[in-house]
Amino acid sequence: QLQESGPGLVKPSETLSLTCTVSGGSITGYYWSWIRQAPGKGLEWIAYIYYSGSTNYNPSLESRVTISVDTSKNQFSLKLTSVTAADTAVYYCARVGGNFFHFDYWGQGTLVTVSS
Amino acid sequence: DIQMTQSPSSLSASVGDRVTITCRASQSISNYLNWYQQKPGKAPKLLIYAASSLQSGVPSRFSGSGSRTDFSLTISSLQPEDFATYYCQQSYSTPWTFGQGTKVEIK
Repeated sequence: QLQESGPGLVKPSETLSLTCTVSGGSITGYYWSWIRQAPGKGLEWIAYIYYSGSTNYNPSLESRVTISVDTSKNQFSLKLTSVTAADTAVYYCARVGGNFFHFDYWGQGTLVTVSS
Repeated sequence: DIQMTQSPSSLSASVGDRVTITCRASQSISNYLNWYQQKPGKAPKLLIYAASSLQSGVPSRFSGSGSRTDFSLTISSLQPEDFATYYCQQSYSTPWTFGQGTKVEIK
């Protein structure tokens, strides 16, 4: 089970910070990812991290995004800097399963609104 | 980036209908193609991975096919709980990208 947590409201130009807590299994051995969905829009992959710490970012967001992992807490996190209204979205964390890099387990999602 | 194009963007169908959604990649992605179902207010749910492998627990009325650039998701007999939006996703190369979605509505 995956559960996102973090502020639901962030001011423009500030940093969005979210954490995904993995329960019922270990974070080790897998890739973990963040995906977002703007209201009424499609899905956008943001980044992934391997439990060992190696990362890969969507170039469209790479300059503003950091993903990190804390294996001792079975958590991974997302930071997105200099947010604007365009970053308003439901943010999902997900597990990347198997050799075909599909998202096999998802959190319920958390809506983050960027507004002053 | 690899562009994923789904068609149609929406469709109306009746319970019991056979429904097919197609997804085209802008370049060959071998069989690194996954399908998800999303209902309003819920997270996407994995249906098919590796183009044709059924995720555990997913009803057998869902099937996937295709390779390289052309893929399809078929629902053999549409059930009331299948009315949702469906997304394809390529995992061949990063940035991983999704199709724009196909909304399946009740006729």
